[in-house]
Amino acid sequence: AQTVTQSQPEMSVQEAETVTLSCTYDTSESDYYLFWYKQPPSRQMILVIRQEAYKQQNATENRFSVNFQKAAKSFSLKISDSQLGDAAMYFCAYRSYGKLTFGQGTILTVHP
Amino acid sequence: NAGVTQTPKFQVLKTGQSMTLQCAQDMNHNSMYWYRQDPGMGLRLIYYSASEGTTDKGEVPNGYNVSRLNKREFSLRLESAAPSQTSVYFCASSEVLGTGPQPQHFGDGTRLSIL
Repeated sequence: AQTVTQSQPEMSVQEAETVTLSCTYDTSESDYYLFWYKQPPSRQMILVIRQEAYKQQNATENRFSVNFQKAAKSFSLKISDSQLGDAAMYFCAYRSYGKLTFGQGTILTVHP
Repeated sequence: NAGVTQTPKFQVLKTGQSMTLQCAQDMNHNSMYWYRQDPGMGLRLIYYSASEGTTDKGEVPNGYNVSRLNKREFSLRLESAAPSQTSVYFCASSEVLGTGPQPQHFGDGTRLSIL
């Protein structure tokens, strides 16, 4: 079974600074997808960024980028120029054959 | 532009009561899912439906039943609620179950407390 591990229960960053959230996963499959979801206090699950395992190029969405290391089974999220609105719980998720497996989440606090 | 709609948003039950959580999506998605979210454990898959007329167990199906009523609707039923089922429940949908980068779209969740 696939497992996803987020080893940082909490992280904090100053506004306008950069922060990196860690995620590792365990799988024997070669074709899969990885996602980062953001969950603000409103409880909505908002897709932040996605990465196809067969693509070597790291995905980027505006201030959000990933460092995907397939051999190391690592998928970290970098948030640049952090904003107060980035404060939320962040979940890393692995998907194969449609079913998502989530990590435990990292609470990100942004200090003004 | 509703997306995935869950009802109710909050519910308090007594142990042993039954309850059905409703979910509907208006994106013409084939696949739908039910998750529960407990503190410190992320989201865990309860049941999913790859397409209309099919349902399958996920990681934590015990104590739950589901019905894929039509393409739009996917309900989750607790036949005899237990305190261990106190959680936040999320419904999600996606275009298809299989390979492809399509993300899952989530509802706003139902906070369920069982006393």
